[in-house]
Amino acid sequence: GNSVTQMEGPVTLSEEAFLTINCTYTATGYPSLFWYVQYPGEGLQLLLKATKADDKGSNKGFEATYRKETTSFHLEKGSVQVSDSAVYFCALSLTGLGSEKLVFGKGTKLTVNP
Amino acid sequence: DTGVSQDPRHKITKRGQNVTFRCDPISEHNRLYWYRQTLGQGPEFLTYFQNEAQLEKSRLLSDRFSAERPKGSFSTLEIQRTEQGDSAMYLCASSLRTSVYNEQFFGPGTRLTVL
Repeated sequence: GNSVTQMEGPVTLSEEAFLTINCTYTATGYPSLFWYVQYPGEGLQLLLKATKADDKGSNKGFEATYRKETTSFHLEKGSVQVSDSAVYFCALSLTGLGSEKLVFGKGTKLTVNP
Repeated sequence: DTGVSQDPRHKITKRGQNVTFRCDPISEHNRLYWYRQTLGQGPEFLTYFQNEAQLEKSRLLSDRFSAERPKGSFSTLEIQRTEQGDSAMYLCASSLRTSVYNEQFFGPGTRLTVL
């Protein structure tokens, strides 16, 4: 089946540290890949996306590259801030491949301390 | 505010009661989705509509759950004879069919607590 596996959390970092949150997927066909973020008390927001192999999505200093050979879409940021504290979800979509739903990972909670 | 809105934001009910949630999508979006999120988990897909047609349903959507989108605008999700296991955050999202990425925009959710 189609699934997303994310690095287990929680992750605690100091401000300005480097962040990596691992995400791998299993899918029939070539999905679109997404990172969503959920700040405390708020709804899910799209952070970045990529639709084909080697595409790099980027936003607010975050980046992720669609790696077909390793079926991965790891999230990175060079220098995190306290305001990045949130839960991050990796997701895939099979639009045009028989299903329009998003399939999410379990989420990784990030806490950034000053 | 032109985002996805959901009502109510919180609902507390007793086991066995029926509840109904409403979702208003972004106005030009023709696709609408319902997801359920339990504590510590990612959202799980329940169902989706394109205009007024319900095109996909998850096996999670038992006979006690029904969703409608009668005029292709707002949608309702009803849960009959609620059970404690129904306690969760119910999320609505919308998207535009012509979007290459199927980028879905989420509402704030309705948190259901079944006592």
